[in-house]
Amino acid sequence: DIQMTQSPSSLSASVGDRVTITCRASQDISYYLNWYQQKPGKAPKLLISTASSLQRGVPSRFSGSGAATAFTLTISSLQPEDFASYYCQQSHSTPRTFGQGTKLEIK
Amino acid sequence: QVQLQESGPGLVKPSGTLTLTCAVSGASIGSSYWWSWVRQPPGKGLEWIGEIYSSGITNYNPSLKSRVTISADKSTNQFSLRLNSMTAADTAVYYCARGDSNNWSLDYWGQGTLVTVSS
Repeated sequence: DIQMTQSPSSLSASVGDRVTITCRASQDISYYLNWYQQKPGKAPKLLISTASSLQRGVPSRFSGSGAATAFTLTISSLQPEDFASYYCQQSHSTPRTFGQGTKLEIK
Repeated sequence: QVQLQESGPGLVKPSGTLTLTCAVSGASIGSSYWWSWVRQPPGKGLEWIGEIYSSGITNYNPSLKSRVTISADKSTNQFSLRLNSMTAADTAVYYCARGDSNNWSLDYWGQGTLVTVSS
């Protein structure tokens, strides 16, 4: 199985901050990396597919980059509605594993 | 608008079998997508369970492979998850989702259903 490691596991930040979450794959997954946002009691929401493709309706303050084994999700200016958990997922091969998640909290 | 809705029992006895159904509207499960199941134990992260393609091809998580079956019924536009030999470790919120045919990203999700394994 491909192991996905996110860092940090938790992060405290303020509205307006720029934050970056990192996801590393245990082997080359090309660009098959997706990012999801999950709020408490809700289903995950796809933000970015194939490393950098922003989904329709997702604010442009979200961006993704990377390839092979190293990927990042960046939020350029945190808004109150961005405080949530974020998960990366590799879709290169099965099982399509998720990272352990990053909980973004208000400082 | 694509919508997915899980249904099934909220409580399963240990060693029992879970069957969940995902009703799809706004899309046909006969179209070229991967219809998927993901679960999340309370307070923990996401675990991919498996997927079924419109052609009937299935992929499963090896950690569950001996216990899991995913099937689809085009006549009712639903797909199902069957997980046997349930234990407390299978207590989780179970989500159904649609996977893109080219990159397998999960673009639409059901709201999730909590399944508790307890006697």
